[in-house]
Amino acid sequence: DSGVTQTPKHLITATGQRVTLRCSPRSGDLSVYWYQQSLDQGLQFLIQYYNGEERAKGNILERFSAQQFPDLHSELNLSSLELGDSALYFCASSAPGTANTEAFFGQGTRLTVV
Amino acid sequence: GENVEQHPSTLSVQEGDSAVIKCTYSDSASNYFPWYKQELGKGPQLIIDIRSNVGEKKDQRIAVTLNKTAKHFSLHITETQPEDSAVYFCAAPGANNLFFGTGTRLTVIP
Repeated sequence: DSGVTQTPKHLITATGQRVTLRCSPRSGDLSVYWYQQSLDQGLQFLIQYYNGEERAKGNILERFSAQQFPDLHSELNLSSLELGDSALYFCASSAPGTANTEAFFGQGTRLTVV
Repeated sequence: GENVEQHPSTLSVQEGDSAVIKCTYSDSASNYFPWYKQELGKGPQLIIDIRSNVGEKKDQRIAVTLNKTAKHFSLHITETQPEDSAVYFCAAPGANNLFFGTGTRLTVIP
């Protein structure tokens, strides 16, 4: 168990809908990262938050947004969903805001858009 | 940003044999190189990492080597077991996040 909790584990929704994925980082970790993993693909960085503030953006679509709350949990919002958004979405956390340290991943949310 | 290349994409070995996965990176300033193991239906799990001040690190059957001059690092698994079957990812840090290789699917044949 990495200590990073993601909910829900599975999500099935229709095209055009909006969903929210939730992540609770390891206790004490200030950084939260969101990654997308499509079928047989690698891990694509979406966005990073550090202590409530957006720190970095990767290949995140404008239809997607995220935030980190005062208790450090984070939510990833996906709207106007398309079939191609079906993927595994992972959250990772690390203690500091830099990338050159251990990052721990949650079990992921499998999103299926039908 | 950092560019990480990983080879091979698939690897099959007989149980008990060794497996080697190689990665290259582009940013000479990178100083931290983790390896993750992802089993089916699970999230990536950090299995070993190395920092640029050492050339090799070992943890039981797993070792990682780093060549900063050539900008490549490798994962070595000895005495492979069926439970080593998984997808392995290397990574290198950018300014704010890790950049991952495309993964190696390792199959250990009993």
